Amino acid sequence: QKEVEQDPGPLSVPEGAIVSLNCTYSNSAFQYFMWYRQYSRKGPELLMYTYSSGNKEDGRFTAQVDKSSKYISLFIRDSQPSDSATYLCAMSGAQGAQKLVFGQGTRLTINP
Amino acid sequence: KAGVTQTPRYLIKTRGQQVTLSCSPISGHRSVSWYQQTPGQGLQFLFEYFSETQRNKGNFPGRFSGRQFSNSRSEMNVSTLELGDSALYLCASSPFGGDYGYTFGSGTRLTVV
Repeated sequence: QKEVEQDPGPLSVPEGAIVSLNCTYSNSAFQYFMWYRQYSRKGPELLMYTYSSGNKEDGRFTAQVDKSSKYISLFIRDSQPSDSATYLCAMSGAQGAQKLVFGQGTRLTINP
Repeated sequence: KAGVTQTPRYLIKTRGQQVTLSCSPISGHRSVSWYQQTPGQGLQFLFEYFSETQRNKGNFPGRFSGRQFSNSRSEMNVSTLELGDSALYLCASSPFGGDYGYTFGSGTRLTVV
């Protein structure tokens, strides 16, 4: 079993919809939680960074961490075609903050 | 502000050869990490360097090695290449490592034939 599980999709939604992306994890030692966006032929781009539990909002993006359930989420409001990308959750802290453990990534398409 | 720069962008090598990939972190960032990305395994951590010292290492064979120079630039080397080493190799940098996440470069696409 992988330490971090993420549904690879693909996920296709109409423009303007609210998108919900999720990851579950098994290692309770994880303390830092991140969401990255990766466009084709590019490296991952950091979207959200959260330490421990709680919510964090940045524009149209909201990240939630529930450590009791070992579950993290990313919500995208008013989704745009430019949001079409692969979204990767990542976490660290189990073996040092430097080692990021990634989910498989969810491929998201926003249809105009 | 310049981002993380990786060279070369694309590389084709023959099985059994060795390869060296280069990474220039964001100015002022002292932590550099390397990841391998494949369709089957996703992103996997190779190693992390801070001030020329390897602080953390993933579960890869000894054929994968790296180093960091005093200007924080880093290189990774893969010896005796295997077909399964074909992947996108990503470098990421952070001011001190782990804090506020990492900034990734666009990667080096390595194809082993």
